[in-house]
Amino acid sequence: GAVVSQHPSWVICKSGTSVKIECRSLDFQATTMFWYRQFPKQSLMLMATSNEGSKATYEQGVEKDKFLINHASLTLSTLTVTSAHPEDSSFYICSARKAGLSVYFGPGTRLTVL
Amino acid sequence: AQTVTQSQPEMSVQEAETVTLSCTYDTSESDYYLFWYKQPPSRQMILVIRQEAYKQQNATENRFSVNFQKAAKSFSLKISDSQLGDAAMYFCAYRSAGKGGSEKLVFGKGTKLTVNP
Repeated sequence: GAVVSQHPSWVICKSGTSVKIECRSLDFQATTMFWYRQFPKQSLMLMATSNEGSKATYEQGVEKDKFLINHASLTLSTLTVTSAHPEDSSFYICSARKAGLSVYFGPGTRLTVL
Repeated sequence: AQTVTQSQPEMSVQEAETVTLSCTYDTSESDYYLFWYKQPPSRQMILVIRQEAYKQQNATENRFSVNFQKAAKSFSLKISDSQLGDAAMYFCAYRSAGKGGSEKLVFGKGTKLTVNP
């Protein structure tokens, strides 16, 4: 199977700082990666779709200036939460699409903003 | 827009018994895919089973099988011989398949499955 990693797995930061989360496809090239946010005991909410070499497509209601997404290579996408506030605390999950239908999920990153 | 509904927030089953999780969806598309994902306490999303809408035959993966009713827009998951390791949140998901369709997965709200020893 294919492996997707996320780093860090858990991050705590102070309010007003920026945090970068990395999503890597370890053994395949991913032309498309997806970023989700998941609140406790809730479903996954898609934030944005990122394609390698082009701008990300954000879902309605997601602030593109606050959640910066960069998909610089076929194996790496990053999500930067800028000027983080306590309400940004959440579990962030990425997924990567292998050629064809298969989509593989990363293990998630827990963000806590103090 | 497509929607996915899971009407059972929580379900429980005795070990070795069978349980069925419900999922309905709404779409005007004729070509699409349906999925069941499992999210254990580790929160790693794991694909359980996939169904292509154009296939009439229900998908099966070992102890997991689906009952796909396209006309009724229903896609239930049956877990046979339940094991303690099956305890998790289960999410039903939809994805367009046609050209020009969105690649994104649309998730239901999930069903928390408890397996009692």
